Amino acid sequence: EDQVTQSPEALRLQEGESSSLNCSYTVSGLRGLFWYRQDPGKGPEFLFTLYSAGEEKEKERLKATLTKKESFLHITAPKPEDSATYLCAPAPGSARQLTFGSGTQLTVLP
Amino acid sequence: EAQVTQNPRYLITVTGKKLTVTCSQNMNHEYMSWYRQDPGLGLRQIYYSMNVEVTDKGDVPEGYKVSRKEKRNFPLILESPSPNQTSLYFCASSAGGIDEQFFGPGTRLTVL
Repeated sequence: EDQVTQSPEALRLQEGESSSLNCSYTVSGLRGLFWYRQDPGKGPEFLFTLYSAGEEKEKERLKATLTKKESFLHITAPKPEDSATYLCAPAPGSARQLTFGSGTQLTVLP
Repeated sequence: EAQVTQNPRYLITVTGKKLTVTCSQNMNHEYMSWYRQDPGLGLRQIYYSMNVEVTDKGDVPEGYKVSRKEKRNFPLILESPSPNQTSLYFCASSAGGIDEQFFGPGTRLTVL
């Protein structure tokens, strides 16, 4: 059975304090792993797609990495505007639908 | 501007009164999907559509109907809403299946 677990559930950082969010998954034949950002009361916004172990992608202060069992979202020198809930969603090879993790709620304090 | 629109944004209704939430996208996307989001349960897929006249159940389809008669529109129908359908609903679309989905602004539904 495909499973996805995100940790921690919530994370509070001081501005400039780097950290990482974790997404652990078990899926058969990973097609891709997606990261989304969601602000309160709004729809998720696409960030990255990772397709194979070892792949990395960057966008501003965010860098996503992928192994065969986990994905990490590294946040370097975060700012208050990075505060949001970050969702990951691994997709199995035959996927026609997406299953999201429960998310990590990040708060960056000024 | 490329976007997914949903209407209404907020709706309060009573048990059993049929309602429709509309979803429209202007990006000529083939794939469209409906999700509900509840505290502690995250985003769960209700129905999805790979193309016109092609729809399929997601993880939580009970109590919902959808139709895809036009490529741009994907309405969500609650024939007889119940309080357990109180939730925040999102419509999404993408060009290539589940890849890079664009989400609408959400519809907050309360069923009394």
